[in-house]
Amino acid sequence: KNQVEQSPQSLIILEGKNCTLQCNYTVSPFSNLRWYKQDTGRGPVSLTIMTFSENTKSNGRYTATLDADTKQSSLHITASQLSDSASYICVVSASVTGFQKLVFGTGTRLLVSP
Amino acid sequence: KAGVTQTPRYLIKTRGQQVTLSCSPISGHRSVSWYQQTPGQGLQFLFEYFSETQRNKGNFPGRFSGRQFSNSRSEMNVSTLELGDSALYLCASSLDRFSSGTNEQFFGPGTRLTVL
Repeated sequence: KNQVEQSPQSLIILEGKNCTLQCNYTVSPFSNLRWYKQDTGRGPVSLTIMTFSENTKSNGRYTATLDADTKQSSLHITASQLSDSASYICVVSASVTGFQKLVFGTGTRLLVSP
Repeated sequence: KAGVTQTPRYLIKTRGQQVTLSCSPISGHRSVSWYQQTPGQGLQFLFEYFSETQRNKGNFPGRFSGRQFSNSRSEMNVSTLELGDSALYLCASSLDRFSSGTNEQFFGPGTRLTVL
């Protein structure tokens, strides 16, 4: 069964600290993996998109890694800011006969405390 | 460039009614996807429209339908509303078919639907 599991469900860190969010998937055949940031009351915003051949991709203070062998991805946030408080959603695409089936994780809710 | 817009932002309906939500994509974007987001289930894909044709569909009952117009604007309709349809409905647009590759998707702010 195609699944995406994210951990932890929620996380509180102090401003300025680093943190790492995890995404494990069983989606097959794998096409790509996306990380989104969703602020409360707003639509998700894309952070990174990674294909099978990419191990790491950065977007400012956000760095995503992908290990296609173990089917794991992580999102590392460096020097956290209050504005990083949001839900982070991992989405994995499976390539199915010409189009993509999207499998969503339920997200990690991050709170950055001053 | 204006972002994805959705109307209305908030909506309250009663069971059995029907509702139509509207989405205007970013200018030049031809693909529009719809999602349902609930606290329990998270984000779930409803369908994608490209060039006025439904190209991809999630696992939702036939009460959920949509269409896309020649200007790429899209509408989503839910008939015979149930309490469980209460959710945030998000629309996202991309330049090309989202479901065919790594095209970036841009989300609107969503329509919060409450069914009483």
